[in-house]
Amino acid sequence: SQELEQSPQSLIVQEGKNLTINCTSSKTLYGLYWYKQKYGEGLIFLMMLQKGGEEKSHEKITAKLDEKKQQSSLHITASQPSHAGIYLCGARTSGTYKYIFGTGTRLKVLA
Amino acid sequence: DGGITQSPKYLFRKEGQNVTLSCEQNLNHDAMYWYRQDPGQGLRLIYYSQIVNDFQKGDIAEGYSVSREKKESFPLTVTSAQKNPTAFYLCASSMERVTSEQYFGPGTRLTVT
Repeated sequence: SQELEQSPQSLIVQEGKNLTINCTSSKTLYGLYWYKQKYGEGLIFLMMLQKGGEEKSHEKITAKLDEKKQQSSLHITASQPSHAGIYLCGARTSGTYKYIFGTGTRLKVLA
Repeated sequence: DGGITQSPKYLFRKEGQNVTLSCEQNLNHDAMYWYRQDPGQGLRLIYYSQIVNDFQKGDIAEGYSVSREKKESFPLTVTSAQKNPTAFYLCASSMERVTSEQYFGPGTRLTVT
């Protein structure tokens, strides 16, 4: 079955540093979604990418989808303690209503 | 405020008992989903429903059952047949467009002993 690989699994950075999280699929993605989760809580939708080469930004977070629509990256500029949490990528499978998710990247930002 | 509610936040049950988790949304979304989240395994799809009175099995439906009698509600029953029911359960909904993002509830942590 189609899977999403996320890397790294965990990340500890000093406040103010930039960081990147990657999400890779072996197949073309129908739509790529980034979510943030605080431990023990639900997922908060961040951004959606659909077209190859697409890039979106919200505040200090930028997400990109490569031209082949098989890899996405999430970049945080000048990280803050409020960015801490678990970041998950999700994707549609072949135009159906089913989604698949990566295993998540746990981010800790040291003040 | 529009959103998805799940109740209760924490649930404890004895082995052999069925338990029902509640999920309600007032976003007017057609599609609703149930996921199970375990440490290190990401989210796994249990059931999903695209329309009232219709639902499909996800990847790990064994030991679970659902109903979709109302657009707003999609309760999940964890039966005694589920071998490892202790987990964090998340409900989500989306518009009936293939490109739509999902909106998630706060989750229910079920512990079965």
